[in-house]
Amino acid sequence: AQSVTQLGSHVSVSEGALVLLRCNYSSSVPPYLFWYVQYPNQGLQLLLKYTSAATLVKGINGFEAEFKKSETSFHLTKPSAHMSDAAEYFCAANFGNEKLTFGTGTRLTIIP
Amino acid sequence: NAGVTQTPKFRILKIGQSMTLQCTQDMNHNYMYWYRQDPGMGLKLIYYSVGAGITDKGEVPNGYNVSRSTTEDFPLRLELAAPSQTSVYFCASTHTLRSNQPQHFGDGTRLSIL
Repeated sequence: AQSVTQLGSHVSVSEGALVLLRCNYSSSVPPYLFWYVQYPNQGLQLLLKYTSAATLVKGINGFEAEFKKSETSFHLTKPSAHMSDAAEYFCAANFGNEKLTFGTGTRLTIIP
Repeated sequence: NAGVTQTPKFRILKIGQSMTLQCTQDMNHNYMYWYRQDPGMGLKLIYYSVGAGITDKGEVPNGYNVSRSTTEDFPLRLELAAPSQTSVYFCASTHTLRSNQPQHFGDGTRLSIL
């Protein structure tokens, strides 16, 4: 079955440290992939999307993600964490129908 | 631009009551969606619509109904509220999903059933 898996429901990093949030998909054909961010009491905002034009995708707020077909992964990274990055992050995939499939989310905590 | 607007933002219902969660978008999007978000569970699709007059069930449609009489509006109806429907509800829209076009989300409706 087609699915999206986010490893780690909670991730804590120190301010200034590397952020790595993991996302893997299960599908024989690479889907369209997205990362969304949700701040407390708000809706989801698009961080970045995979367009197939490049495997390394840059998004807002200094985040980027790399698509690796061989690993069926689309991990999200940021070189230096900021306090304002504390939020919940969702990976999502469009497997070629009218719907998005979401991962269960990763809550990112930044330690001062 | 308003984007996707949801009302109300908060609501407390008693068991057995009914209510309608409103969702409207001003981007002329064909596709609209209703999700519920429960802690640690991500987003679950309740219903979706690919255009005015067309709706279809998602993963968790039981206890809900929708209609799509216009492109802009996609209300979600709870007929007999149950405690299991306590959740945060999000409406989203997109022009098309057969591409890398993202969904645009509203700010959510926080619903408690007591």
